[in-house]
Amino acid sequence: AQSVAQPEDQVNVAEGNPLTVKCTYSVSGNPYLFWYVQYPNRGLQFLLKYITGDNLVKGSYGFEAEFNKSQTSFHLKKPSALVSDSALYFCAVRDTDTGRRALTFGSGTRLQVQP
Amino acid sequence: GAGVSQSPSNKVTEKGKDVELRCDPISGHTALYWYRQSLGQGLEFLIYFQGNSAPDKSGLPSDRFSAERTGGSVSTLTIQRTQQEDSAVYLCASSPREGAVYNEQFFGPGTRLTVL
Repeated sequence: AQSVAQPEDQVNVAEGNPLTVKCTYSVSGNPYLFWYVQYPNRGLQFLLKYITGDNLVKGSYGFEAEFNKSQTSFHLKKPSALVSDSALYFCAVRDTDTGRRALTFGSGTRLQVQP
Repeated sequence: GAGVSQSPSNKVTEKGKDVELRCDPISGHTALYWYRQSLGQGLEFLIYFQGNSAPDKSGLPSDRFSAERTGGSVSTLTIQRTQQEDSAVYLCASSPREGAVYNEQFFGPGTRLTVL
């Protein structure tokens, strides 16, 4: 079975500081990993994904994520946070071995960037 | 271009009533997903449609939940005899068929269902 853990319900960071939102996963095969962001009263927006290749993936709005197979992690990062980055962030995984098309999502991490 | 649309945006119903939620995917997308987002929870997979293949219903929580997709486009999620625990935001997503395994999904704004 595939699963995702986001160990922090909320992350607080000051504007201009680097931010990290943590994600770990569990799959039986190889993972396809995704990050989505949800702004208030909006649907989820795709940020970035890891399929294969370079472990460092760059995505929208200056976000990037690093795939670490040995630690089964896919942490989301940004060098300099903006107040407008405040939102709910979801990590998701799909297991390449199961053939299951649906994504398994983490419980979400609320990012609060203070001015 | 037009994204995934869902209607209604909000639905308030009484316990025991049936409700229908509609999803209109992005034109040309053959894969369609329904998820449920409960307060403080992540997204819970409900059902997946891919073209004319049999849907993956493995996430439906009970036989009160059903969904259909007509003409390979619009989908309707039906909840019969609603219960208060059905209150949640129901999200629909679509993705292109080609490379569906690793394609990202495009989400609609959701339908907020409140069962009184």
